[in-house]
Amino acid sequence: QSALTQPASVSGSPGQSITISCTGTSTDVGNYNYVSWYQQHPGTAPKLFIYEVSNRPSGVSNRFSGSKSGNTASLTISGLQAEDEANYYCSSFTSSGALVVFGGGTKLTVL
Amino acid sequence: QVQLQESGPGLVKPSETLSLTCTVSGYSINRGYYWGCIRQPPGKGLEWIGSFSHSGNTYYNPSLKSRVTISVDTSKNQFSLKLSSVTAADTAVYFCARGYSSSQFDNWGQGTLVTVSS
Repeated sequence: QSALTQPASVSGSPGQSITISCTGTSTDVGNYNYVSWYQQHPGTAPKLFIYEVSNRPSGVSNRFSGSKSGNTASLTISGLQAEDEANYYCSSFTSSGALVVFGGGTKLTVL
Repeated sequence: QVQLQESGPGLVKPSETLSLTCTVSGYSINRGYYWGCIRQPPGKGLEWIGSFSHSGNTYYNPSLKSRVTISVDTSKNQFSLKLSSVTAADTAVYFCARGYSSSQFDNWGQGTLVTVSS
């Protein structure tokens, strides 16, 4: 069982917007702004898409945005494109013993 | 541009020790950042194994701590993972990564599949 909870799957049509949630606790998401989001296509390594809740690394499209409210972080993808179809993982710093906890991952399907 | 490359045996027998080496190019690991190991069982999610800082602090996942050792060879710009007493549950793709911070990984190796089987 993953420490952070994500929906197993989400879907949307090209051009639409979707949001993926990532729910933790006060020992991770709720009390620290070290939430990251990773995109992973099958057979490849994860790629950092969002860090520190809402910051995008250089080269990541501004269609991707992150936010946080309480113990839940969110990744929003606007203007869905076929290339966005992938698995998305959230992670957070945690004070509960481990340094890092990951979510179970969300499979995004672009219809 | 920093690059990380994992290397090690693709097959390990149950009860033996899994050994993985991560070679870093394009950045000296003792200059800064965190460096870590993450794994992903086939068809499943990511699990953090452990990390170390350039200043010498090492951190392990409590669920694996009794079996894990991460060591550093700055002369070769490499770090190594050892996981002892492996079982089939340790079968996974093992990744090396650079940590922008202690918990956010901005550069990843391609990963290497390690299968535990007799």
